[in-house]
Amino acid sequence: QQPVQSPQAVILREGEDAVINCSSSKALYSVHWYRQKHGEAPVFLMILLKGGEQKGHDKISASFNEKKQQSSLYLTASQLSYSGTYFCGTETNTGNQFYFGTGTSLTVIP
Amino acid sequence: SAVISQKPSRDICQRGTSLTIQCQVDSQVTMMFWYRQQPGQSLTLIATANQGSEATYESGFVIDKFPISRPNLTFSTLTVSNMSPEDSSIYLCSVRWQGAGTGELFFGEGSRLTVL
Repeated sequence: QQPVQSPQAVILREGEDAVINCSSSKALYSVHWYRQKHGEAPVFLMILLKGGEQKGHDKISASFNEKKQQSSLYLTASQLSYSGTYFCGTETNTGNQFYFGTGTSLTVIP
Repeated sequence: SAVISQKPSRDICQRGTSLTIQCQVDSQVTMMFWYRQQPGQSLTLIATANQGSEATYESGFVIDKFPISRPNLTFSTLTVSNMSPEDSSIYLCSVRWQGAGTGELFFGEGSRLTVL
């Protein structure tokens, strides 16, 4: 049930871009993206609903391909504050369960 | 948004004992989830606890080991029973906030359990 994310870890210099992918084996109703900093609870970034939409705010955006059951998170012109572990969260059509992906550790260095 | 108070924030327990984690929400929410997170790992769903129905447990988690109560729309408890060192982890409660139409999850600050 757990979605698989890639890459597992990435190190960026400030200003560089990154893409994080999330792939599920189940049909999805929605995909969420969260960022978790060390010692803190996950914080919501955005939600994408079935329909292939793309969303974004500031320099972080995401897409959702429901046919492929995949989502991607795009971080552009990365900032030090972007460092943390990113999780996709998925909701299937069949129930109320909410599963988190395997996680991607992102480190932004000066 | 929802503000979630989770207690205890951390505890050190002896093998074979049980501990109950409380999750209090400042507003009424239908859907509540309990997760476990090992250090450096992802969040693993233990169970979904909706008020008015029995909790739904995920594969690998059983009610005898992790009994859950959900007496009303603002409160839930998760008990970790007969603990062993393998139960050492962070336990998080989470609620699904539908009020703003986004359905995002809000989390408590977590309960870090260490079992000796």
